[in-house]
Amino acid sequence: GAGVSQTPSNKVTEKGKYVELRCDPISGHTALYWYRQSLGQGPEFLIYFQGTGAADDSGLPNDRFFAVRPEGSVSTLKIQRTERGDSAVYLCASSSTVAGPYNEQFFGPGTRLTVL
Amino acid sequence: EDKVVQSPLSLVVHEGDTVTLNCSYEVTNFRSLLWYKQEKKAPTFLFMLTSSGIEKKSGRLSSILDKKELFSILNITATQTGDSAIYLCAKGGTSYGKLTFGQGTILTVHP
Repeated sequence: GAGVSQTPSNKVTEKGKYVELRCDPISGHTALYWYRQSLGQGPEFLIYFQGTGAADDSGLPNDRFFAVRPEGSVSTLKIQRTERGDSAVYLCASSSTVAGPYNEQFFGPGTRLTVL
Repeated sequence: EDKVVQSPLSLVVHEGDTVTLNCSYEVTNFRSLLWYKQEKKAPTFLFMLTSSGIEKKSGRLSSILDKKELFSILNITATQTGDSAIYLCAKGGTSYGKLTFGQGTILTVHP
């Protein structure tokens, strides 16, 4: 079946602008995660959704970052007043928690965000 | 603070060599240890380890966890150029969703 998809694949914006990044999880996966990966680093956790609610948003760096998942499927990561330091690859992952909470996460191809 | 440390940070080998990648982690709230392979953008799942001393294998790749010494290794035998990638180790904690990743090991396999 289809994997996790993310759009756009690349986004170039100017400092101070607002951006939205979209994630379509694997069908039927109830858990959805956002990570951010800077060059030369491993992915860094941002936020986790179980269904429609954010179960853990402890990784969001500040209040310019916000994510929603209104119908428990597609999620949008929103970044206000972008800064050059926000430039990174934003990865989305999903997992099925039916068999228990500790299941592998399946990642999408990411959105490369560049803030000029 | 959660910390996952991988070594070496980069490794260059020739086809046919065997490599061992290392991952150490802090014990706080440990539940699972996962290995991923990242070739371009999307990390792809390799293994999840929760029990100490039980080796998981998939073809030429294998991994084992030592919960006493707080580390895991990923072995790749008879390496091929297609094994060239970044190998990421991640710790799963008591917060179900959160994976804490290491910096990754960049493996380059020359023909």
